[in-house]
Amino acid sequence: GENVEQHPSTLSVQEGDSAVIKCTYSDSASNYFPWYKQELGKRPQLIIDIRSNVGEKKDQRIAVTLNKTAKHFSLHITETQPEDSAVYFCAASRTGGGADGLTFGKGTHLIIQP
Amino acid sequence: DGGITQSPKYLFRKEGQNVTLSCEQNLNHDAMYWYRQDPGQGLRLIYYSQIVNDFQKGDIAEGYSVSREKKESFPLTVTSAQKNPTAFYLCASSMRGVGDYYFGPGTRLTVT
Repeated sequence: GENVEQHPSTLSVQEGDSAVIKCTYSDSASNYFPWYKQELGKRPQLIIDIRSNVGEKKDQRIAVTLNKTAKHFSLHITETQPEDSAVYFCAASRTGGGADGLTFGKGTHLIIQP
Repeated sequence: DGGITQSPKYLFRKEGQNVTLSCEQNLNHDAMYWYRQDPGQGLRLIYYSQIVNDFQKGDIAEGYSVSREKKESFPLTVTSAQKNPTAFYLCASSMRGVGDYYFGPGTRLTVT
């Protein structure tokens, strides 16, 4: 089955700086890659996703890049703010919308230092 | 917060007892999922269902059972066969093939 590795496990950045979280996946058939944000005690919420026919996608301060050849994808957050502090999870699925389930990375705890 | 609900928020059970976690959605989503979350482990797929009266095992199905008798409901039973049942359980739903999982608020189960 699919295996997703996520790094780093903890990332501390100064407010206003950029943050980058990286994930690699093992199954070359995977074609859907979402990112979720989970605040303490809350449910995960989708922040951005990308499909394998696209190399990059942006939404305001958040962007995701995908390198299918290398089987890795990354989350980029620019101009970080205190409310960006949370745990971020990457995921991969073999089907377009994750109908067969998503395989998640172990998460990155992002800390924004004031 | 509407759309997908889980109850109860906290659940305590003694070892050897079966326990059922509730998950209900009113989003008209076809697919529903159960994940388990442990500290530092991410989310791991227990069971999923793409349509009523059908479901498939995920990566860690042993010791769990599910049913899907209605589109809106996907209860999870944690049986006494589950070796380490204490965890945070998350239910999710999605329109099949479209993406964007909606997660419920979760149930924190403690077994002593």
